[in-house]
Amino acid sequence: AQSVSQHNHHVILSEAASLELGCNYSYGGTVNLFWYVQYPGQHLQLLLKYFSGDPLVKGIKGFEAEFIKSKFSFNLRKPSVQWSDTAEYFCAVMGGGYQKVTFGTGTKLQVIP
Amino acid sequence: EAGVTQSPTHLIKTRGQQATLRCSPISGHTSVYWYQQALGLGLQFLLWYDEGEERNRGNFPPRFSGRQFPNYSSELNVNALELEDSALYLCASSDFVSRAGKQYFGPGTRLTVT
Repeated sequence: AQSVSQHNHHVILSEAASLELGCNYSYGGTVNLFWYVQYPGQHLQLLLKYFSGDPLVKGIKGFEAEFIKSKFSFNLRKPSVQWSDTAEYFCAVMGGGYQKVTFGTGTKLQVIP
Repeated sequence: EAGVTQSPTHLIKTRGQQATLRCSPISGHTSVYWYQQALGLGLQFLLWYDEGEERNRGNFPPRFSGRQFPNYSSELNVNALELEDSALYLCASSDFVSRAGKQYFGPGTRLTVT
């Protein structure tokens, strides 16, 4: 069975600080990895995804994530956060083939101006 | 392009009753996913339908069921409601090419069981 762990439940940062949100997954085979974001009052939307190739994936709004297979990790990073990045971030994993997508419990990010 | 729509927005039921939630995917999408977002538990996968068939199911009891219609819209039914079923139920859809890769989420149905 696949699982996802997000260790940071609530993160508070000042604007311009650097961000790294941890995501670890458990699955024995090929995986596809995702970060979704939910801004206040909005729907969940895809931030970035990793299917194959370059393990450093760039997404929208300056976010990036690095897939480290040996560590079963897919951490989300942004060098300098903005107040508008305040949102809840969900890491998700999909096992190889047409498998279900498993989401982590989410990390609430609060950016203070 | 219209996004994923869900109805109703809010639903209040009492214990033991049945709830029916509806989802219309983005036009052209054949896959529909249902998730439960309960407080503190994140998104829990419930069901995945594709081309009218149930493809996968999460760790939920059989009283959670659903179906997908020929027009790809979907219904989630929860029988014998329990207090802990109170949650936001999200529907997502994806297209044939990307399958479960990129999912587009609806606004959700807030179910309250009293």
